[in-house]
Amino acid sequence: EAGVAQSPRYKIIEKRQSVAFWCNPISGHATLYWYQQILGQGPKLLIQFQNNGVVDDSQLPKDRFSAERLKGVDSTLKIQPAKLEDSAVYLCASSRDISPGYGYTFGSGTRLTVV
Amino acid sequence: AQRVTQPEKLLSVFKGAPVELKCNYSYSGSPELFWYVQYSRQRLQLLLRHISRESIKGFTADLNKGETSFHLKKPFAQEEDSAMYYCALSPGGATNKLIFGTGTLLAVQP
Repeated sequence: EAGVAQSPRYKIIEKRQSVAFWCNPISGHATLYWYQQILGQGPKLLIQFQNNGVVDDSQLPKDRFSAERLKGVDSTLKIQPAKLEDSAVYLCASSRDISPGYGYTFGSGTRLTVV
Repeated sequence: AQRVTQPEKLLSVFKGAPVELKCNYSYSGSPELFWYVQYSRQRLQLLLRHISRESIKGFTADLNKGETSFHLKKPFAQEEDSAMYYCALSPGGATNKLIFGTGTLLAVQP
């Protein structure tokens, strides 16, 4: 099966600019996740979708971050305006099942540098 | 608080030596535990999960609820095992989110 697709692979922006990331999950995977991985840390969940509904966005900085998953397939994550501390790898993942213990498939990530 | 601790940033061993990557967790309920691995220039991928009690690429991990640990072990390290290893916890429930540790870089020397 095709993997989780993400674009772009790299992005460099100035602080206060806006940026958007795109994710296409594995076909048939109802659950989609966005994680933020800052250098030297493990990934941290930003938001989880089940189909096109939000399941968990408790750690999403909603004053600047937004995400949507129209039609329950592709998803976009936006940052507006960006801050220096947003520099990180943004990982998208999907899973067929929302059951605990099932495991995810991750995309290759988008590396964001804010200067 | 839900937390995963991997005390070693780097573990360097020689080929053929035993490997143990440590993972401790803090969670009041019964979590699901995982090990994820990221090889150089590849994406993060699931290595194994405690619920399946499997051995993948010679690695095993046993959940010790008394010590709240889920250490990853392999009796004889190979050079191709060199990678970044992340321990992760899923508290379960509706979110199925993963809480990751900071990772341990395993370097297997020839």
